[in-house]
Amino acid sequence: DIQMTQSPSSLSPSVGDRVTITCRASQHINDYLSWYQQKPGQAPKLLIYAASNLPSGVPSRFGGSGSGTDFTLTISSLQPDDFATYYCQQTYSTPQTFGQGTRLEI
Amino acid sequence: QVRLQESGPGLVKPSETLSLTCTVSGGSLSSYYWSWVRQPAGKGLEWIGRIYHTGNTRNTNYNPSLQGRVTMSVDASNYHFSLQLTSVTAADTAVYYCTRDNFRTPIRVGAADSWGQGILVTVSP
Repeated sequence: DIQMTQSPSSLSPSVGDRVTITCRASQHINDYLSWYQQKPGQAPKLLIYAASNLPSGVPSRFGGSGSGTDFTLTISSLQPDDFATYYCQQTYSTPQTFGQGTRLEI
Repeated sequence: QVRLQESGPGLVKPSETLSLTCTVSGGSLSSYYWSWVRQPAGKGLEWIGRIYHTGNTRNTNYNPSLQGRVTMSVDASNYHFSLQLTSVTAADTAVYYCTRDNFRTPIRVGAADSWGQGILVTVSP
């Protein structure tokens, strides 16, 4: 199985901060990397696909980069609505695997 | 816009079989993979498996960590797909989500672009 390691596990940023979350794959996954945002009591929501692409409706303050084994999710200016848990996921091979999550706490 | 809705019993006894259905509305099942993901309370996401809209076993993949206890099926004409998990224990207590995995352009990489709201399944006597 491909292991996905996120860091940090938690973060306590302030509104307006630039936030960076990293995700490392245990082997090469090309750009088969997605990011999800999950708020308490809700299903995850797709935030980034193919490492750097935003689905329609996702604010442009979210950005993704990377290829191969190292990936980054960046929030350019944190908004109150962004306090949530973020997961990376590889879909390069099965079983698909998720990172352990990064919780942004107030 | 496609919508997914999980349904099934919220309580299952140990050693019995967990059975869930995901009903798809607002779109066709064609040309997509359909997956199940679960999340124990306070923990991360675990991929259970996926099935292609044709239901072909060659395009069905399960997580080996579930040790052969998983079976998925699809009924495209009735817009739903299903999950069965046998010999459940307390460790299978979780919120279960169904998702649509999109390998079509532009998403291409199979990201889960639609999710059900989730259903809590508790394994308890």
